[in-house]
Amino acid sequence: EVQLLESGGGLVQPGGSLRLSCAASGFTFSSYAMSWVRQAPGKGLEWVSAISGSGGSTYYADSVKGRFTISRDNSKNTLYLQMNSLRAEDTAVYYCAKGVTVVVTANDAFDIWGQGTMVTVSS
Amino acid sequence: QSVLTQPPSVSEAPGQRVTISCTGSSSNIGAGYDVHWYQQLPGTAPKLLIYGNSNRPSGVPDRFSGSKSGTSASLAITGLQAEDEADYYCQSYDSSLSGHNYVFGTGTKVTVL
Repeated sequence: EVQLLESGGGLVQPGGSLRLSCAASGFTFSSYAMSWVRQAPGKGLEWVSAISGSGGSTYYADSVKGRFTISRDNSKNTLYLQMNSLRAEDTAVYYCAKGVTVVVTANDAFDIWGQGTMVTVSS
Repeated sequence: QSVLTQPPSVSEAPGQRVTISCTGSSSNIGAGYDVHWYQQLPGTAPKLLIYGNSNRPSGVPDRFSGSKSGTSASLAITGLQAEDEADYYCQSYDSSLSGHNYVFGTGTKVTVL
């Protein structure tokens, strides 16, 4: 069964850091680009970051550029999101999502989603 | 402030048909980028419903259909069922913003009366 399982969420103070993980199973992890998408409480979906299957290309939304870093370890079938300088507006459920090609393209859809992990930024 | 606009809510009786619009511009849907649709049941993660404007992944009932024309796209649900009560989001790409930008619609809550 194709599955994504996020972990690492929690409560952090403004300015703090957190590292999210997403463990993949049931498919050839290195063959697909991956993304992080977040959803603030009661709000819509917002794409955060994407990474190619090899990990050689990364992309970020302007709202997180310079503060968040996406990475992957294909030997461990795991996707990461390092979040630094966290702000209250980063409070959200963070989902990892599987792309449909190995490279990040404009026409990508996200065909598999994890259950999400909650990040709360508050003092 | 999403660049893709959807109606906040639609409602209809069981068995009826609803359509959800996703209105964009010349820098996203109108530029030819694909539109995808997701269903988010209460308290769960989004699920891919339609990809590439009008294609259904395996397992998605043919009651769900997608279309695209000009700067807009639409999701239609026929034979509405109680289990279809959920939030629905369109997604595309926008070339007007700096960097790489997948964009989601504002979301539409479907209520089955």
